[in-house]
Amino acid sequence: RKEVEQDPGPFNVPEGATVAFNCTYSNSASQSFFWYRQDCRKEPKLLMSVYSSGNEDGRFTAQLNRASQYISLLIRDSKLSDSATYLCVVPPTGNQFYFGTGTSLTVIP
Amino acid sequence: GAGVSQSPSNKVTEKGKDVELRCDPISGHTALYWYRQSLGQGLEFLIYFQGNSAPDKSGLPSDRFSAERTGGSVSTLTIQRTQQEDSAVYLCASSLKSVGEKLFFGSGTQLSVL
Repeated sequence: RKEVEQDPGPFNVPEGATVAFNCTYSNSASQSFFWYRQDCRKEPKLLMSVYSSGNEDGRFTAQLNRASQYISLLIRDSKLSDSATYLCVVPPTGNQFYFGTGTSLTVIP
Repeated sequence: GAGVSQSPSNKVTEKGKDVELRCDPISGHTALYWYRQSLGQGLEFLIYFQGNSAPDKSGLPSDRFSAERTGGSVSTLTIQRTQQEDSAVYLCASSLKSVGEKLFFGSGTQLSVL
């Protein structure tokens, strides 16, 4: 089983829609998690940290489900500018972060 | 500097040549990572530096790859005798302390081996 698994999509949603991505992880000892956003041909940039109690930032909500070992990202009222690849990141048990392969989102006018 | 700086932004080389890629992390960040990303693929871990500790080289794909970090700051990734399969974007990232801290990425070096 991979350390981190994501549905690659693509997710094509209309403007204003709500969309959610999940990411499963294999190491139950993992403590902190992150969602990164990567635009085409750009570097990943931190979108949100994921806390045990959940985390909300404007239209974005991140949740952690330890029992089922997944994290989720919910985007409400999607904007065209939300089109990107969303990477979930699980911190290392050793020295390397584990990046999911990313979920591609396209918001359609 | 304000962010992680990488140079060159683009590098085209011929098969068999050596290349050096440079990363200047955010000032004060002690942890530095190198990743590789092929087109349409996820990030592949290459190497990790933390302060003055011995680097974690477990992700380097072959002995043609090596990296140094001088003075706990600037890092250089060297690829010897480049092959076409080395073509990718090489991303450097730094974080404030150690593992578990969020990463800040440079804009990467696009390496093309002809």
